[in-house]
Amino acid sequence: SQELEQSPQSLIVQEGKNLTINCTSSKTLYGLYWYKQKYGEGLIFLMMLQKGGEEKSHEKITAKLDEKKQQSSLHITASQPSHAGIYLCGADSPDGSNYQLIWGAGTKLIIKP
Amino acid sequence: DAGITQSPRHKVTETGTPVTLRCHQTENHRYMYWYRQDPGHGLRLIHYSYGVKDTDKGEVSDGYSVSRSKTEDFLLTLESATSSQTSVYFCAIRKQPEQIFDYTFGSGTRLTVV
Repeated sequence: SQELEQSPQSLIVQEGKNLTINCTSSKTLYGLYWYKQKYGEGLIFLMMLQKGGEEKSHEKITAKLDEKKQQSSLHITASQPSHAGIYLCGADSPDGSNYQLIWGAGTKLIIKP
Repeated sequence: DAGITQSPRHKVTETGTPVTLRCHQTENHRYMYWYRQDPGHGLRLIHYSYGVKDTDKGEVSDGYSVSRSKTEDFLLTLESATSSQTSVYFCAIRKQPEQIFDYTFGSGTRLTVV
């Protein structure tokens, strides 16, 4: 079965610094989703990538899917306190089933003022 | 947000009692999901539904049942709650705008089994 591994598990970053979170799949990714979760709240959709080499940006967050479609990275530029939370990556099932997403364990991001 | 609400938001229950969590959507989406979130495990699928009375098991379905008698409501029942079911439960709906799948999540239910 496909597994998603996120790294690092947690990250403490000084406000204003850049950071990168990785999501690595054991199999080819057919659709990769990034979500953000604040403590005690639901998940907020950030971006979805499908094509190898694809890159999307929203405000100061950029997500990329590598050419081989087995790894995605999420990069935050000039981090702010509002970026703090848990970031999760999810992937569509490799067998083409559109019922489920497989999830990484999440990366907890803390921004130090 | 997107018209998905979960109730209750918090619940404390005793071991052995049945518990039902409710997920309600206002947008008539076909696919609905129940996940649990635990530290170190991310989100794990409990059950999902692809239509009224059409449901199937996810990877951690033991001890849980679901029902969907109306498009808008997806109920998760813990038949006899155990401490291992202490978790945060999320409901999600799957949208299909222009072939790009988008999952929208509820705010979660924090369940404590004592």
